[in-house]
Formats: sequence, structure tokens, C-alpha cells
Amino acid sequence: QSALTQPASVSGSPGQSITISCAGTSSDVGAYNYVSWYQQLPGKAPKVMVYDVSARPSGVSNRFSGSKSGNTASLTISGLQAEDEADYYCCSYTRSRTVVFGTGTRVTVL
Amino acid sequence: QVQLVQSGAEVKKTGASVKVSCEASGYTFSNNEIYWMRQAPGQGLEWMGWISPGNGDTKYSQKFQGRVSLTRDISASTAFMELSSLIFEDTAVYYCARNGGGLGVWGQGTTVTVSS
Repeated sequence: QSALTQPASVSGSPGQSITISCAGTSSDVGAYNYVSWYQQLPGKAPKVMVYDVSARPSGVSNRFSGSKSGNTASLTISGLQAEDEADYYCCSYTRSRTVVFGTGTRVTVL
Repeated sequence: QVQLVQSGAEVKKTGASVKVSCEASGYTFSNNEIYWMRQAPGQGLEWMGWISPGNGDTKYSQKFQGRVSLTRDISASTAFMELSSLIFEDTAVYYCARNGGGLGVWGQGTTVTVSS
């Protein structure tokens, strides 16, 4: 099972919107609506930001939104803030009952 | 509150095995799968497997098949991950996480260092 493909880095200025893509296949991202996104700060455990493609856990800012089209999922961060600077990983359940993570994206706030 | 607490850091020799524990509290342990991931230094997250505490059902990543074993002790609300035949490349932080609202609750991570 190959990792899902994410851009290595994405950057934006405070207040801007950025989108991180997560490309998979019809066996993972395209198979079910079980895509989730995680934020990881340095030295910390990951934190779920979006699950089931577009659901947001309580306590997560509505500046974070998720979507999916075909075999590609996306995470959009609107109104970018300095505190959003972190690594982001997508994750998908697969037809084989396994799980696969994305390659990870470093978000930099300029 | 829902919490997962992992065992402490380990240093192991190549060829040895390591067993990491993940103690759950604040919810009914049997109700949610526990997933295991690892993250090598400077690298991304890698899924290793999951266990369903209620019936003991497991699923492993093909990469670790035959080398990893996930078990649980329901009476202690604890899940375990054992990795055998350790190599240098197994040096990583190992995480457990509860499935529910995505992987909504994570342990703090356990650093495993493999040396000669």
C-alpha cells in the first residue's frame, strides 16, 4: 500500500486561504468517505482536524474544512494564522480494511 | 476525560523485541478499535495495525506482517504492541490512537531506540 500523495510544503500569508491536496486511488480515498486530516506540532502527537471527509470535531476551528472529489481529498485552511504552522497528514481507510497515511505537508505562515 | 497513556521509552538491541502498552481511561475500552502508528525521526506517520478490543480482531500492515503482534487485556483496559526482530530502522516514536471521530484520541507516544 503506497502512501497518499501530498505536497511537501504549502505556504501563505496571515489571513489567506490555503488548500492541501491528498491524492489516492479508487481503493482508498475514492472508496469510502473515511478520510481524516491531522495536525502535528513539533514534538507533539497528531491531532484530528477533520474526519469522515468533512466533519469537524468539537473544539476545532471552523477555519478548517475538508472535501473530496474522486480519488483526491483536500483540506482548506481559511484565515491563516501563525498558530496553524505545523505538519498536516491525511489518512484514508482502504478496501483491504487497512489504513494509509499521506506523505505529509509542512504549512508555513509567511 | 478520554485518555490513552503509553509506557515509557525503550532502548533495545538489534534482533530483540519491544512491547509497548497503551492504557485507556474515560470510556468503555471494548467499544473502539485501537490503532498503532509510528514515526521515524524526521519522517511521516506510518500505520502499523489495529485491534478491536471487544473481540480481539486484528489487521496488520503488510510491511509489518509476521513481525508485529497486537493484543489487549480488557480487564486492564490496555492494548499492547509487540515488534520483534528489531533493526536500526525501527527507531521511532510509536503511537496508539482510539478510532472514533477519526483517530480522535492519541497516546503521548513511546520512543523506541534500537542500537547495537
